[in-house]
Amino acid sequence: QVQLQESGPGLVKPSETLSLTCTVSGGSINSYYWNWIRLPPGKGLEWIGHIYYTGRTQYTPSLKSRVTISLDTPKNHISLKLSSVTAADTAVYYCARSGSKYGSDAFDIWGQGTVVSVSS
Amino acid sequence: QSVLTQPPSASGTPGQRVTISCSGTSSNIGSNTVEWYQRLPGTAPKLLIYSNNQRPSGVPDRFSASKSGTSASLAISGLQSGDEADYYCAAWDDSLNGHVVFGGGTQLTVL
Repeated sequence: QVQLQESGPGLVKPSETLSLTCTVSGGSINSYYWNWIRLPPGKGLEWIGHIYYTGRTQYTPSLKSRVTISLDTPKNHISLKLSSVTAADTAVYYCARSGSKYGSDAFDIWGQGTVVSVSS
Repeated sequence: QSVLTQPPSASGTPGQRVTISCSGTSSNIGSNTVEWYQRLPGTAPKLLIYSNNQRPSGVPDRFSASKSGTSASLAISGLQSGDEADYYCAAWDDSLNGHVVFGGGTQLTVL
């Protein structure tokens, strides 16, 4: 079955760029949306954005100026870059799939998440 | 502050029925489907309900949901200790070129 695995540095300095990769195994990137979602400590889930397998992206308004999501289809990778980070970007970052039989907005498969802390 | 409004906490005793509300606006719940997610402690969220009231395969029928206007609700009947988790509602929001919005989450305690 399809599995997602996030990877990347667990510690990022303020003002630098956070870079994460989501690796899709057991299936293809084609025909789905691939999302990044985060969970800050003590807060609720926040959708960061998604990329369709065609390369079309949409981002949440509050992060749009700092976020880039991209695909590397041959490697089955989805990348997240978040620039000019601050402590407010400290969170567990998840990648998740949508666009399956459950609907375009239903996140039916999630990665285990990766903790990213922003600190000097 | 989350776009969708949920109570921060809910509780019940084993066997009871508990409901969790989710309030939005015409640009999100009022015009799009609602999904619900369960996040057990230390784990990734899991899709619990899609398209307002549909259960993915494997989700017990103790979990049900409904939507009316700009509000939605999740009901859990026959409450079990294993249901202790955070529950989130979510919906697509048509404003500002479109984006997904979540509720702030409801922490369910089984007493």
